[in-house]
Amino acid sequence: SQKIEQNSEALNIQEGKTATLTCNYTNYSPAYLQWYRQDPGRGPVFLLLIRENEKEKRKERLKVTFDTTLKQSLFHITASQPADSATYLCALDQGSARQLTFGSGTQLTVLP
Amino acid sequence: DGGITQSPKYLFRKEGQNVTLSCEQNLNHDAMYWYRQDPGQGLRLIYYSQIVNDFQKGDIAEGYSVSREKKESFPLTVTSAQKNPTAFYLCASSNLTGLGNQPQHFGDGTRLSIL
Repeated sequence: SQKIEQNSEALNIQEGKTATLTCNYTNYSPAYLQWYRQDPGRGPVFLLLIRENEKEKRKERLKVTFDTTLKQSLFHITASQPADSATYLCALDQGSARQLTFGSGTQLTVLP
Repeated sequence: DGGITQSPKYLFRKEGQNVTLSCEQNLNHDAMYWYRQDPGQGLRLIYYSQIVNDFQKGDIAEGYSVSREKKESFPLTVTSAQKNPTAFYLCASSNLTGLGNQPQHFGDGTRLSIL
């Protein structure tokens, strides 16, 4: 069956360090992968989209990689700040149906 | 400002009652989606619509119904047939232009509880 796994439900890191979040998938062949940020009691907010033919995408302090051989995406936040504390969700497309399938998220806490 | 508005923010349902959650967008997006989020779980797709007067079931449509009479509006009804309706409900919209998936824009959700 199709499955998306995001590493550990919670991740704590020290301010200024790089946070690395993992999204692994099985029995999918996604053409696109998206990352979202969700704050408590709010809807997710889109951060980055990466295509299967792109190895890496950057936006300010954010970097996403996509390895279709390993079936894995890594999401990095460099020089992390307490304001980066949130739950981060990865989402895979389901092709022409224009649907996304979401992972359960990783709750990141950046400690001052 | 363009965006998605969900109302109410909190909703309580009595046993045997149907309730309707509102979702309105002014982003001129063609596609709209309803998700359910339970603690520790990812978003699960209930229904989606790519065009007015047409919609498709998602992974967990049983006990729910929708309508899409206007491009801007996609209300979700939680019927009495949904035996475990307590959850956080999220509405989203996206463009359908171009190849592949466009980012989805989300509202701030409705939290539904059972009395």
